[in-house]
Amino acid sequence: ELKVEQNPLFLSMQEGKNYTIYCNYSTTSDRLYWYRQDPGKSLESLFVLLSNGAVKQEGRLMASLDTKARLSTLHITAAVHDLSATYFCAVDGGGTGNQFYFGTGTSLTVIP
Amino acid sequence: GAVVSQHPSRVICKSGTSVKIECRSLDFQATTMFWYRQFPKQSLMLMATSNEGSKATYEQGVEKDKFLINHASLTLSTLTVTSAHPEDSSFYICSATLQGYEQYFGPGTRLTVT
Repeated sequence: ELKVEQNPLFLSMQEGKNYTIYCNYSTTSDRLYWYRQDPGKSLESLFVLLSNGAVKQEGRLMASLDTKARLSTLHITAAVHDLSATYFCAVDGGGTGNQFYFGTGTSLTVIP
Repeated sequence: GAVVSQHPSRVICKSGTSVKIECRSLDFQATTMFWYRQFPKQSLMLMATSNEGSKATYEQGVEKDKFLINHASLTLSTLTVTSAHPEDSSFYICSATLQGYEQYFGPGTRLTVT
C-alpha cells in the first residue's frame, strides 16, 4: 500500500520566520507535486518536481525532491499571513494512468 | 490554458436520491480524468481513474455500483452518486490530464445529503 506522509500536520508560525514541511512517501517515484488549498476551495498547483535533486522556488516557497530518500521538502522563508493555507504533496503512483496519491496535508497558520 | 470545470459547484439532495456531477476540460482533450473525494479536514482520496470510452478503474474500497463514472468524450466525465446517504456528503474534485505528468484540477463540488 502506497503511503504519503507529511509532517507536521499542523503548523503555526509567526510572520517573518522560516520553516520546512516534509513529505515522505513509500513508493519509488520520480514525480512529486505540491499544492495549496484554501478553505472551501480546490487545489492550486505550486510545484512540479520531476527528477531526483529537483529544486524549484517561487516567491517565499522552495521545494526539493530526493527520490533516493523518498523525501520532498517545502521550505517557507520569511512567512507572511497570505501563506496561511493547507499544503499537500502528491506522488505519482507510477501506474499506467499516472494516478496521484496525496499526503496527509499540513495546515499552516501564519500569525501576524 | 488547461482549465477544468465542474458542475454543479454545490448540491443538496435527499437521502436515497441520486446526483450527477459533471467534469469538463474546457480547452483541451483529456486522455484521462480522475475523481477524488475529500472529507472535512482530510486529504484527497483517489476514487477512480476514467478513460474515454472505457470502464473506469476504481481504487480499492470504492463501490463501483454506488459511484458510477461515465467518460463519454475526451472533454466530459460524469460521476453519479447513486442512492446517496449522509455519509456520502463530501467535497468531490475531478482532474484531467493530457498525455503528460500534470493533472489539472476542477474547482470541486460540495455534496450535502440530508
